[in-house]
Amino acid sequence: EVQLLESGGGLVQPGGSLRLSCAASGFTFSSYAMSWVRQAPGKGLEWVSGISGSGGSTYYADSVKGRFTISRDNSKNTLYLQMNSLRAEDTAVYYCAKAIAVAGRSYYYYGMDVWGQGTTVTVSS
Amino acid sequence: QSALTQPASVSGSPGQSITISCTGTSSDVGGYNYVSWYQQHPGKAPKLMIYEVSNRPSGVSNRFSGSKSGNTASLTISGLQAEDEADYYCSSYTSSSTHVVFGGGTKLTVL
Repeated sequence: EVQLLESGGGLVQPGGSLRLSCAASGFTFSSYAMSWVRQAPGKGLEWVSGISGSGGSTYYADSVKGRFTISRDNSKNTLYLQMNSLRAEDTAVYYCAKAIAVAGRSYYYYGMDVWGQGTTVTVSS
Repeated sequence: QSALTQPASVSGSPGQSITISCTGTSSDVGGYNYVSWYQQHPGKAPKLMIYEVSNRPSGVSNRFSGSKSGNTASLTISGLQAEDEADYYCSSYTSSSTHVVFGGGTKLTVL
């Protein structure tokens, strides 16, 4: 069964740091681009960051550029999101998501066909 | 304010068809065929319903269809069923520095 399982969320003070993890199973992890998408309480979806299958290319939304870092360890089938200089507006449920493959290729901006259950990040003093 | 504009709500009766619009610009929806649609039930993770404007992933009902005209993409749900009641989000690749943008979401109510 194809599955994504996030962990690492919690309560952190403004200015603090947190690292999210996403453990993948049931598919060849290194063959697919991955993304992090967040959803603030009662709000819509916001794409946060994407990474190529090899990990060699990374992409960020303007709202997190310079503060968040996406990475992956294909030997451990795990995706990460390092979040620094956290702000109240970063409070959200964070989902990791797998990009669909089309004609054997998977890019972060393709549709996201597998999602984790989400992990909650709360930034508050 | 979301980069893509969706109606806040739509409604329809069982068996009817509804269409949800998603309006962007030539830098996103109008310029690329990388529009996706997601269904999200309360407290659940989103589910991909349409990718590349009009393609359905395996397992998604053929009652769901997507299209695009100019800067506006559309999701049509035919033969409405009670379980279709959910929030729907569009997304698109964008040539701007933020790479991927979502619409604000549309709440579908099945009357």
